[in-house]
Amino acid sequence: AQSVTQLGSHVSVSEGALVLLRCNYSSSVPPYLFWYVQYPNQGLQLLLKYTSAATLVKGINGFEAEFKKSETSFHLTKPSAHMSDAAEYFCAVSDGSSNTGKLIFGQGTTLQVKP
Amino acid sequence: GAGVSQSPSNKVTEKGKDVELRCDPISGHTALYWYRQSLGQGLEFLIYFQGNSAPDKSGLPSDRFSAERTGGSVSTLTIQRTQQEDSAVYLCASRGTGVGNTQYFGPGTRLTVL
Repeated sequence: AQSVTQLGSHVSVSEGALVLLRCNYSSSVPPYLFWYVQYPNQGLQLLLKYTSAATLVKGINGFEAEFKKSETSFHLTKPSAHMSDAAEYFCAVSDGSSNTGKLIFGQGTTLQVKP
Repeated sequence: GAGVSQSPSNKVTEKGKDVELRCDPISGHTALYWYRQSLGQGLEFLIYFQGNSAPDKSGLPSDRFSAERTGGSVSTLTIQRTQQEDSAVYLCASRGTGVGNTQYFGPGTRLTVL
């Protein structure tokens, strides 16, 4: 069965600093992996996704993630944090065993950006 | 419409009452999902619809929960005899063809059971 672990429920960085949000997955089949962002009182917005093409995936708002099969990781990075990046971030894997595409989410990481 | 819409945005109900939550997916999207977001359980899958196929109900937490999708478009999630533990944000998502395609989420319905 697929699962996702996000290391660190809260991450705090200074404005302009590197953002690194960690995600490890478990999957018995080649995974589809996603990062979503959720701003307060809003739904989820896709940042980027990996669907077995390039292992380095670029997304919106300057975010990118690298798929590393050997480490079963899909960490999210951004070189320089902005105040507007403060939000909750979810890593998800698409359930490849059921052919439904339903998403299995990590517990989420709240990103705080300090001025 | 331009995106997934959900109504109502907020719903407060009393324990034991029934509630209906509505989702309007993106036009042309054949797949529709319901998820629940709660403090204790995080984001969890509830139910999946794909075209005219039988839905995948494997995530529904109890038989008090049901959902239907009429005409392959609008979906309604019904919770009967609500309990306080049903308090959560209910999110709907839709996607086009292909399980690797992006799921687009609505803004959610925040349900509070008193």
